[in-house]
Amino acid sequence: DQQVKQNSPSLSVQEGRISILNCDYTNSMFDYFLWYKKYPAEGPTFLISISSIKDKNEDGRFTVFLNKSAKHLSLHIVPSQPGDSAVYFCAASDIQGAQKLVFGQGTRLTINP
Amino acid sequence: NAGVTQTPKFQVLKTGQSMTLQCAQDMNHEYMSWYRQDPGMGLRLIHYSVGAGITDQGEVPNGYNVSRSTTEDFPLRLLSAAPSQTSVYFCASSSYRGASYNEQFFGPGTRLTVL
Repeated sequence: DQQVKQNSPSLSVQEGRISILNCDYTNSMFDYFLWYKKYPAEGPTFLISISSIKDKNEDGRFTVFLNKSAKHLSLHIVPSQPGDSAVYFCAASDIQGAQKLVFGQGTRLTINP
Repeated sequence: NAGVTQTPKFQVLKTGQSMTLQCAQDMNHEYMSWYRQDPGMGLRLIHYSVGAGITDQGEVPNGYNVSRSTTEDFPLRLLSAAPSQTSVYFCASSSYRGASYNEQFFGPGTRLTVL
């Protein structure tokens, strides 16, 4: 039973345009959400996070939006750059297991020049 | 700071063999964890530790043992390897402040193949 789902295995975007990666979750106890970026042969690196008390968090070119009623979050990258090409994982944590992350399957983002 | 280090980078085992995946961190983080990544499955939590001497099971603990004798090290043991344990293994650490959230730092991974 996949509690965190990323339904798009891959996404291709033109350089300079906006990249939108989506993530859905089923567990209403999740209250903290994170995005990780992963390059081949490396471990995931933290990108941005959001608490359930917010609906938006921004960090430079990266913005995460949270819609609690829809149990949906999205990551926006504007403008997209070639170095953004990577696999992006959405992750969630509940109140009881603050450091126990549940990950989505990942979305491979390719930025085309 | 080396961050989170993992050894070996690659390993091939035969079914039934045992081995230990090493993980170390130099950030004085209380929390350490092991994940496995399989195609189409994302990362799944195997075991975790909130401090030296304290470990607990994650989502997929069967076939794996852990111990945490020091803050720095968190080895993962496979007692009798099975082909289903072929995967990429990631170790992670973070500072733990009760209910406050802190990002986890991941190591580069160990790619394990069990024949």
